[in-house]
Amino acid sequence: DSGVTQTPKHLITATGQRVTLRCSPRSGDLSVYWYQQSLDQGLQFLIQYYNGEERAKGNILERFSAQQFPDLHSELNLSSLELGDSALYFCASSVATSGSYEQYFGPGTRLTVT
Amino acid sequence: QKEVEQDPGPLSVPEGAIVSLNCTYSNSAFQYFMWYRQYSRKGPELLMYTYSSGNKEDGRFTAQVDKSSKYISLFIRDSQPSDSATYLCAASPAPAGNNRKLIWGLGTSLAVNP
Repeated sequence: DSGVTQTPKHLITATGQRVTLRCSPRSGDLSVYWYQQSLDQGLQFLIQYYNGEERAKGNILERFSAQQFPDLHSELNLSSLELGDSALYFCASSVATSGSYEQYFGPGTRLTVT
Repeated sequence: QKEVEQDPGPLSVPEGAIVSLNCTYSNSAFQYFMWYRQYSRKGPELLMYTYSSGNKEDGRFTAQVDKSSKYISLFIRDSQPSDSATYLCAASPAPAGNNRKLIWGLGTSLAVNP
């Protein structure tokens, strides 16, 4: 158990809908990362937050947004969902101090768009 | 060309074999290199973490980085069926503030047969 929690575990929704994925980092970790994993694309970095502020952006679509709250939990919002958004979504956390690159992953949310 | 390339396999070996998993990268600015293991439908877990060139050993696992050839390797000695998983390599340049963005390979699927 990495100490990172994600809810829900599974989500099934229809095209055009909006969903929110939630992540709680390990105790003491200030950075949260969101990833999308599909069979053909592998693990794709979406976005990083550090202590409430956006720090790095990857291949995140404009239909997707995220935020990190004062208690350090984070939410990833996916809107106008398309079939191609079906994937595993992982959250990871790290201390993100100097020299620390170790990211600890949650169990993921499996999103199915029908 | 992806910044981190990894042969997806699958790789199938008998129990007790020495396994060699490899990645190549193109960005000479990469300084930090990681290997993660991912079991089916689970989040990736950190196995090994190295900085710059050289070897690092942890039990049956050895990580090797050759910056001159931009080559990253993970060796597993005395492989066990429980090692059956997907192995992902990741790399990152020196940190910029609290940006800890990792660039990921696609992962190599390994099956260790009893």
